[in-house]
Amino acid sequence: GQQLNQSPQSMFIQEGEDVSMNCTSSSIFNTWLWYKQEPGEGPVLLIALYKAGELTSNGRLTAQFGITRKDSFLNISASIPSDVGIYFCAGRRNAGNMLTFGGGTRLMVKP
Amino acid sequence: KAGVTQTPRYLIKTRGQQVTLSCSPISGHRSVSWYQQTPGQGLQFLFEYFSETQRNKGNFPGRFSGRQFSNSRSEMNVSTLELGDSALYLCASRHSGGQNTGELFFGEGSRLTVL
Repeated sequence: GQQLNQSPQSMFIQEGEDVSMNCTSSSIFNTWLWYKQEPGEGPVLLIALYKAGELTSNGRLTAQFGITRKDSFLNISASIPSDVGIYFCAGRRNAGNMLTFGGGTRLMVKP
Repeated sequence: KAGVTQTPRYLIKTRGQQVTLSCSPISGHRSVSWYQQTPGQGLQFLFEYFSETQRNKGNFPGRFSGRQFSNSRSEMNVSTLELGDSALYLCASRHSGGQNTGELFFGEGSRLTVL
């Protein structure tokens, strides 16, 4: 089962609002990734974080790698209807491609 | 560049049968990983291959196996299917796996239903 606690599980917001979600772990990760998945599709990479304390933006998305290396958050500013989907955090401990995923945050945006 | 391609996209099997899923990575990517996605357990790592060698394996029974070919294409097999094997099976590719070599990109998945 998952080792990453992702919250909230779901959010129903008004278009134009800002969104914040986060992931926490009891153990350290060396890389944090954020993915978005839409129905019938595979996860799409949004942001990758490689250093503790790192803050990275991708358009309206901003993510941070926690300084303890046990958490990460993702913010979406000025949400739009196409932001709808499930957002997953994922952590990687070492080289290779074994990722541990959070349970996902389902985002719904009301126009 | 073409993305990660998985076939078949959908399939239905019955208990006890076996299934083989195929994955073609992004051109130039040599590392291929497989993940299982279910509503109850979420996304879970199955295994990873690099240069035809299994590099990591998740906590799944021996009924789940995989391989990688010299052209980096990969297949996974599930034998003696159980109802609980119904899931979306996702393949992901990456250039190699070391730091600063790019990230993991997923295909659209193969949705397996076991009846």
